[in-house]
Amino acid sequence: EAQVTQNPRYLITVTGKKLTVTCSQNMNHEYMSWYRQDPGLGLRQIYYSMNVEVTDKGDVPEGYKVSRKEKRNFPLILESPSPNQTSLYFCASSSYGRIYFGEGSWLTVV
Amino acid sequence: EDQVTQSPEALRLQEGESSSLNCSYTVSGLRGLFWYRQDPGKGPEFLFTLYSAGEEKEKERLKATLTKKESFLHITAPKPEDSATYLCAVQHSGYSTLTFGKGTMLLVSP
Repeated sequence: EAQVTQNPRYLITVTGKKLTVTCSQNMNHEYMSWYRQDPGLGLRQIYYSMNVEVTDKGDVPEGYKVSRKEKRNFPLILESPSPNQTSLYFCASSSYGRIYFGEGSWLTVV
Repeated sequence: EDQVTQSPEALRLQEGESSSLNCSYTVSGLRGLFWYRQDPGKGPEFLFTLYSAGEEKEKERLKATLTKKESFLHITAPKPEDSATYLCAVQHSGYSTLTFGKGTMLLVSP
């Protein structure tokens, strides 16, 4: 079954404590990306990767880092989280015009 | 800059009452226009990709159409289980950032 798996699904953390949200896909897709979804703002792209070791900024990259060392994994790193990064995060992978999303990670920074 | 505007923001229908959702877009060289369905707290679920003006796609009670400036998602004889937020997104020919609209929240009452 085609899957994009994110972890953790729910997390409450404190300001400044580094955290990583993992993302893994089993479809051998080259293209992966991260989005955040906020009420009234919709889905906004944070970072994307077109292949291993190739990453680029999306619309809202500030405060985030990513890496793509393997084709299947694309972790999102918050080096020093702040309350304005409280959001619902989605990882996605895609091939030939169809994009698959993970189930989402609810992140609260207090 | 790519822009996507969806209307209406919210729509309430009676079961069986057909209607259409609109997605107006501005993009420099359209690679694809995507429709997704999103249930509360879940990841977006792929519905359709349209690539060129005049193209149409159907799935059960849903039919998506595309012109050079907008796309419509027609819902025929909707059922309560069609209640969800419907998202439209465009990808320009550079095959990078996906730009989403803010969505239309559809509620179908029995």
